[in-house]
Amino acid sequence: ETGVTQTPRHLVMGMTNKKSLKCEQHLGHNAMYWYKQSAKKPLELMFVYNFKEQTENNSVPSRFSPECPNSSHLFLHLHTLQPEDSALYLCASRLDRNTGELFFGEGSRLTVL
Amino acid sequence: AQKITQTQPGMFVQEKEAVTLDCTYDTSDPSYGLFWYKQPSSGEMIFLIYQGSYDQQNATEGRYSLNFQKARKSANLVISASQLGDSAMYFCAMRELNNNDMRFGAGTRLTVKP
Repeated sequence: ETGVTQTPRHLVMGMTNKKSLKCEQHLGHNAMYWYKQSAKKPLELMFVYNFKEQTENNSVPSRFSPECPNSSHLFLHLHTLQPEDSALYLCASRLDRNTGELFFGEGSRLTVL
Repeated sequence: AQKITQTQPGMFVQEKEAVTLDCTYDTSDPSYGLFWYKQPSSGEMIFLIYQGSYDQQNATEGRYSLNFQKARKSANLVISASQLGDSAMYFCAMRELNNNDMRFGAGTRLTVKP
């Protein structure tokens, strides 16, 4: 139990569906991250929020839309995805200090049909 | 842009022996942190060890130690007395300390043989 909870753990969706991934942390962290982990590829940083403000957007297609309503919650809204978007989506949080390591959730396994 | 390189896609080690997992990095920022994570087959990412660019001594955490060679820009993870439960993917990561961007290497799959 890392203190970072992701729901759902598994999601299957069609290319025309709209769904959302949720991440929640109660560690008092102020930075939250979305990563994509595809098979045989390195973790890809997608978005970073610090104190609810987006500080990184790593050229992610607009079919992925992040939302950070407060420092404890982070969403990834999904619409009109492609099969190549199938992956493990990992959320992480960090306390904004020099040595702050990332605490990861268990991930949401997404399959796009 | 920062870049992390792990050149060993897979490594095997005999139980109870030590193993070194390689990591090199590239950055022009003098202030950065280096991290190692373990990802078992269940998928969660587990933080193992941290090394700051200004730290004078190599970091150690139990059976994990980091062989930090700043001039060579390498941060190799050493696991001593390997256990079967150490079988997993291992990722090296770096963050320049003036921004939030944490980048990961491609990972090394470690298999511990009984």
